[in-house]
Amino acid sequence: DQQVKQNSPSLSVQEGRISILNCDYTNSMFDYFLWYKKYPAEGPTFLISISSIKDKNEDGRFTVFLNKSAKHLSLHIVPSQPGDSAVYFCAASSTSNTGKLIFGQGTTLQVKP
Amino acid sequence: SQTIHQWPATLVQPVGSPLSLECTVEGTSNPNLYWYRQAAGRGLQLLFYSVGIGQISSEVPQNLSASRPQDRQFILSSKKLLLSDSGFYLCAWSPGTGWSPLHFGNGTRLTVT
Repeated sequence: DQQVKQNSPSLSVQEGRISILNCDYTNSMFDYFLWYKKYPAEGPTFLISISSIKDKNEDGRFTVFLNKSAKHLSLHIVPSQPGDSAVYFCAASSTSNTGKLIFGQGTTLQVKP
Repeated sequence: SQTIHQWPATLVQPVGSPLSLECTVEGTSNPNLYWYRQAAGRGLQLLFYSVGIGQISSEVPQNLSASRPQDRQFILSSKKLLLSDSGFYLCAWSPGTGWSPLHFGNGTRLTVT
């Protein structure tokens, strides 16, 4: 049972345009949602998070939107840059469960110059 | 500042051989520690987590074990490796209190031949 799903394995975007990465979850007990960025042969790097009491969180070019009724979140990157090319993982956690993260399968973003 | 070290970076082991991967965290006390695995083309799967010395929780039945002999040391082991143990192993930490994103090490690429 996959509790966090990223249904798009890959996404290709032109430099300067918006990148939108999507994520769906099934467990209503999740109260924190995160996005991580990963380059090959490296560990994931934390990008941005959102708690379940909010519907939007912004940090520079990165914005995460949360739709609790739909159990859906998305990451917007504007404007996209070639250096953003990486694998992006959505993750969720429940503070009542020692903060363990449950990850989606990842989406590979390619930003073309 | 806190840092996490994981070694070795790459490892090639024959089937049936033992395994020991080590992870240490600096600059913090009483962290929560985690072992994740990323199999080829898949997301990150939580294998073990620990909230204190000698306290290990296993998330999935498998051929691996974990130990935490010291506060900031987390070890992943196997007595006899299987081909299916191949993957990218990641250690992560978070503060022992409150909510915080997980911070990952750079991972170990294990190939079982």
